[in-house]
Amino acid sequence: DAKTTQPNSMESNEEEPVHLPCNHSTISGTDYIHWYRQLPSQGPEYVIHGLTSNVNNRMASLAIAEDRKSSTLILHRATLRDAAVYYCILENNYGQNFVFGPGTRLSVLP
Amino acid sequence: NAGVTQTPKFQVLKTGQSMTLQCAQDMNHEYMSWYRQDPGMGLRLIHYSVGAGITDQGEVPNGYNVSRSTTEDFPLRLLSAAPSQTSVYFCASSRGLAGGRANEQFFGPGTRLTVL
Repeated sequence: DAKTTQPNSMESNEEEPVHLPCNHSTISGTDYIHWYRQLPSQGPEYVIHGLTSNVNNRMASLAIAEDRKSSTLILHRATLRDAAVYYCILENNYGQNFVFGPGTRLSVLP
Repeated sequence: NAGVTQTPKFQVLKTGQSMTLQCAQDMNHEYMSWYRQDPGMGLRLIHYSVGAGITDQGEVPNGYNVSRSTTEDFPLRLLSAAPSQTSVYFCASSRGLAGGRANEQFFGPGTRLTVL
């Protein structure tokens, strides 16, 4: 399975944008890029996914590099509730058997 | 919809005891899986099922058994608990093949297990 690399931790101020990077240099042409997050003491929850084009939803935006070897999750205005561990995951098997790395722990400062 | 439910929320076992962690989903999802999460780490896949009657091993299956007799339920059995199995266990479900590519996984709230 293709792997992802993320910074261990990041910090942001409340109400400022946050850009969470992910490198996936061995991504294959059919791998989708998923982002999940895990709030303290909860199970992971879906944030966004994409294949080639940039994607927006009510939670976040996903910017995918043209060569697809990296992507960035963008939270437009961080809130205290966005403090979580964010996981970047490559999926090539119908949403099954995700491989979770350690993710990026995002701290949001008031 | 209740989504994915897990029981119990917390459990303490002694070494050598056996128990079953329960997982149920009410979304008619084909695919279900069990992960474990050790402190400060990401989730690791234990077992998964692509439909009733079909199960397979994930990355860390040793010491665990699963069965899938119905679409809704996917219990995880610890055969003889060991301290190394102290972890938080998450169950997840998705539409799997029926959902096509990139379908969302839904996770339960987790079971926190301590083995003494």
